[in-house]
Amino acid sequence: DQQVKQNSPSLSVQEGRISILNCDYTNSMFDYFLWYKKYPAEGPTFLISISSIKDKNEDGRFTVFLNKSAKHLSLHIVPSQPGDSAVYFCAANSNYKLTFGKGTLLTVNP
Amino acid sequence: NAGVTQTPKFQVLKTGQSMTLQCAQDMNHEYMSWYRQDPGMGLRLIHYSVGAGITDQGEVPNGYNVSRSTTEDFPLRLLSAAPSQTSVYFCASSLAGGVNEQFFGPGTRLTVL
Repeated sequence: DQQVKQNSPSLSVQEGRISILNCDYTNSMFDYFLWYKKYPAEGPTFLISISSIKDKNEDGRFTVFLNKSAKHLSLHIVPSQPGDSAVYFCAANSNYKLTFGKGTLLTVNP
Repeated sequence: NAGVTQTPKFQVLKTGQSMTLQCAQDMNHEYMSWYRQDPGMGLRLIHYSVGAGITDQGEVPNGYNVSRSTTEDFPLRLLSAAPSQTSVYFCASSLAGGVNEQFFGPGTRLTVL
């Protein structure tokens, strides 16, 4: 049973527009959520995180929103750039263990 | 700093062979972990360690062994390779587990024939 779900396998947006990547979870014990970005043939790299006691965290062009009642989080990228094209993984922490979603391939078209 | 290093980058094994995937970090991180990534799947946690001498199982530990004799190194051993273990393996480290940014190595692509 998938505890972290990214229901959109892919997303395509125009350069300069907003990219919104979504993630749903089922485990109420998750206390920290993170987004990772992955380019082909490389390891994932950390993007942004949010504690379960907050509802928003912002870092430059990247903002993560957490809706605990809906067990939903989203990553907003504004403005989107072609270099943002990658696979984005949502991950959730519980007791030192990270559970990842399957990822969303974001393509930003020039 | 080299960060997290993994060797080898590629490996082909025959069913039943054993091997060790190496992982080292030079950031003095207490927490280290191993993941596997299969096509169309996210990363799945195999084993993790919260410090030297301490290891624990993740989501998919069967067929794998780990040990943590030093802070820097966290090798992953495949005892008797099976085709189902064909995957890309990532090692990661962080200051203190999943609540901190994890730094990932470049991965080892393993094929078991």
